[in-house]
Amino acid sequence: AQSVSQHNHHVILSEAASLELGCNYSYGGTVNLFWYVQYPGQHLQLLLKYFSGDPLVKGIKGFEAEFIKSKFSFNLRKPSVQWSDTAEYFCAVLEDSSYKLIFGSGTRLLVRP
Amino acid sequence: GAVVSQHPSWVICKSGTSVKIECRSLDFQATTMFWYRQFPKQSLMLMATSNEGSKATYEQGVEKDKFLINHASLTLSTLTVTSAHPEDSSFYICSAVIGGSLALEQFFGPGTRLTVL
Repeated sequence: AQSVSQHNHHVILSEAASLELGCNYSYGGTVNLFWYVQYPGQHLQLLLKYFSGDPLVKGIKGFEAEFIKSKFSFNLRKPSVQWSDTAEYFCAVLEDSSYKLIFGSGTRLLVRP
Repeated sequence: GAVVSQHPSWVICKSGTSVKIECRSLDFQATTMFWYRQFPKQSLMLMATSNEGSKATYEQGVEKDKFLINHASLTLSTLTVTSAHPEDSSFYICSAVIGGSLALEQFFGPGTRLTVL
């Protein structure tokens, strides 16, 4: 069965620090990967997605993620975080063509001003 | 574009009553919608896949008779929690996929917080 692991449950950073959130997946089919963000009190928003092509994917708000097939990883990065990045971040993998999303457990990021 | 709404945004009900939650795609047609639940400080767990005009497909462990899903039109899916109990208290989130889209992207609603007393 497919699964997604996010190793960092809570991350606390100061503004301007660099961010990397880990995501590992277990899936034998075609890999479609997503990072979603959930700001306090708001709905899930798509940060970025990978379907194929360039393994380095750039998303909104300065976020990027790198798909490393050999490591089954899709880590999220941002070179310099802001207080407004405080949110919960979810990595997800999509089952082939069923549209079903399998979510990781999420990482709560707190950025201190 | 691609906005999904949910109504109500929060609801409090007594144990034993039924609660209906609506999920609407406002500016697109959604042949497929999904229902998730999210417990505090936990991730989203898929409950069921709702396809317009057909029966919903439930994930293992989700009681279909308790969580009734109706997808009667291309812009509306409803989730009814029947005979709700305190353990059903959770955050229910729907998502929708643009009909015919190859983008495979789900657009999420803002969620409905259900509290059963």
